[in-house]
Amino acid sequence: EVQLVQSGAEVKKPGESLKISCKGSGYSFTSYWIGWVRQMPGKGLEWMGIIYPGDSDTRYSPSFQGQVTISADKSISTAYLQWSSLKASDTAMYYCARPGGYSGYDSVDYWGQGTLVTVSS
Amino acid sequence: QLVLTQSPSASASLGASVKLTCTLSSGHSSYAIAWHQQQPEKGPRYLMKLNSDGSHSKGDGIPDRFSGSSSGAERYLTISSLQSEDEADYYCQTWGTGSWVFGGGTKLTVL
Repeated sequence: EVQLVQSGAEVKKPGESLKISCKGSGYSFTSYWIGWVRQMPGKGLEWMGIIYPGDSDTRYSPSFQGQVTISADKSISTAYLQWSSLKASDTAMYYCARPGGYSGYDSVDYWGQGTLVTVSS
Repeated sequence: QLVLTQSPSASASLGASVKLTCTLSSGHSSYAIAWHQQQPEKGPRYLMKLNSDGSHSKGDGIPDRFSGSSSGAERYLTISSLQSEDEADYYCQTWGTGSWVFGGGTKLTVL
């Protein structure tokens, strides 16, 4: 069974750094891209970027380029999303998601359970 | 530019059927999409991938009450025999060269 299990909720202050994780299991982690999706409170889904854990090839949405860093450690089947300096506007639920195809650009077939990030002074 | 348009809200009665629409932007009518359901306070759940010819493949455990169809640039999700747990936000998703795109979502109310 394919599973994406994300790290727990975080409460941070503006300016702090943060790295959240998404552990994949039940499939070949290095063979499928993993993406990150933001959902701000009461809003819709926004694509942030994707990574191919096999070689760490990473693509970003223009809206998030330079704002976050996506990485992966294939030895532990885990993808990451990190911020170097959080802002209050980063407060949101973040989901990792796995597309069904091998290209990275396909329907999302599996979702993580989400990680709530709250940034407040 | 690849854009998906959804009506913000829809409603239907318990036991009835409802058809939700997702419209692809001009020049993209051949694109496949996916439908996702997000129940209140939960994460999204993949429902199905829907091709331009109306063929679709559903996710594991998705009931037969959920079906998809296509016409031109429009992609539909039909839910029959509505149940209370179908009250949720429904998002369509597509993908282009270098991006995933989500529609704004439709909030379905079951009366």
